[in-house]
Amino acid sequence: QQQVKQSPQSLIVQKGGISIINCAYENTAFDYFPWYQQFPGKGPALLIAIRPDVSEKKEGRFTISFNKSAKQFSLHIMDSQPGDSATYFCAASSGGGTSYGKLTFGQGTILTVHP
Amino acid sequence: GAGVSQTPSNKVTEKGKYVELRCDPISGHTALYWYRQSLGQGPEFLIYFQGTGAADDSGLPNDRFFAVRPEGSVSTLKIQRTERGDSAVYLCASTRDRAITEAFFGQGTRLTVV
Repeated sequence: QQQVKQSPQSLIVQKGGISIINCAYENTAFDYFPWYQQFPGKGPALLIAIRPDVSEKKEGRFTISFNKSAKQFSLHIMDSQPGDSATYFCAASSGGGTSYGKLTFGQGTILTVHP
Repeated sequence: GAGVSQTPSNKVTEKGKYVELRCDPISGHTALYWYRQSLGQGPEFLIYFQGTGAADDSGLPNDRFFAVRPEGSVSTLKIQRTERGDSAVYLCASTRDRAITEAFFGQGTRLTVV
């Protein structure tokens, strides 16, 4: 019930290409869906987040697409750059007595962008 | 401080020993979280503090794990009788309050139990 499933496990794209990472969740109480970026030896850092009242959110080269009925959301990285090479995690949380900081994370996607 | 600070960065301990991991959250952040990240996995929630009290400790794996936050700022995660399976990166995060707001993570403490 609390799982967030992420795919693919790893992704290789060429510089300038589009990177797409998908996540699916089960718990319909989730109402906050952030994506985190993590570099080796560092903690996760927030990239972009969405609430379920919108179907898409764009910030620069990063876009979240959200499908509430399918309980799926995805991250699109346009014009991928070698500096985007990192591990990406989708996550979900809800309020209702606990904080939105109590996140359920996906398994992660290792993105490699070749120059 | 400017960010969430965790000490030590690395800790190697022998099986059966006791360890303490420290987290210093961003100044003014009232909520503090501990996560555990095993190799190749996403972080898993352990415990959450709102102020000094543990609001949710449902993620603690067993009674060998305990965390405190006595003054509502710095927190210490304590692990008794460490086991090799406890080896992981322990992450701390903080947020301003219960509202939807970014959770800022520290760099983590890499615990290795030998």
